[in-house]
Amino acid sequence: ELKVEQNPLFLSMQEGKNYTIYCNYSTTSDRLYWYRQDPGKSLESLFVLLSNGAVKQEGRLMASLDTKARLSTLHITAAVHDLSATYFCAVAVGSGNQFYFGTGTSLTVIP
Amino acid sequence: GAVVSQHPSRVICKSGTSVKIECRSLDFQATTMFWYRQFPKQSLMLMATSNEGSKATYEQGVEKDKFLINHASLTLSTLTVTSAHPEDSSFYICSWAGAKQETQYFGPGTRLLVL
Repeated sequence: ELKVEQNPLFLSMQEGKNYTIYCNYSTTSDRLYWYRQDPGKSLESLFVLLSNGAVKQEGRLMASLDTKARLSTLHITAAVHDLSATYFCAVAVGSGNQFYFGTGTSLTVIP
Repeated sequence: GAVVSQHPSRVICKSGTSVKIECRSLDFQATTMFWYRQFPKQSLMLMATSNEGSKATYEQGVEKDKFLINHASLTLSTLTVTSAHPEDSSFYICSWAGAKQETQYFGPGTRLLVL
């Protein structure tokens, strides 16, 4: 059974602090995606990671992929309140590119 | 680019009725699309993969006779929840595969409440 686990599930952090969200998956894949979801909304694409060692940065967020360890990280630098949301990783599997989503990390940034 | 729409955005129905949800890709065409559902405070669960002109492939545990998928064109797919029950209340999200199958473009979601 494919498992995609995120750690932590809930994260409360102060503005200005740094933190990392982890995404572990149990199958072979070199395609990993990060999304943001605001309450009541659909998904907003953040990062597309398509190879081992891929690192991408956008603003205060940086994502990386280690396919050998089956691990992706989403690093938050100097958090601001606007980053409060739920973050999901998703692993693409198979030739049909099915996505299997992680458990989600609910982030609250406290002023 | 890569705009996906869903209709309706929100629907309330009585138990035992059927509900149809439309998913359209507005500015691109794609052969493959996906349906997901998301229960409150949970993650997205893949329900089925659909290729235009073919029967959908359902994930384990998803009843194909209850969740009917019609994928008649490269820009339109529908999901019909037949004989809906309160436990079917969920957020249903569709997505279309991007070029080279490297990404998916997600719709805004349809919130279904079955009374």
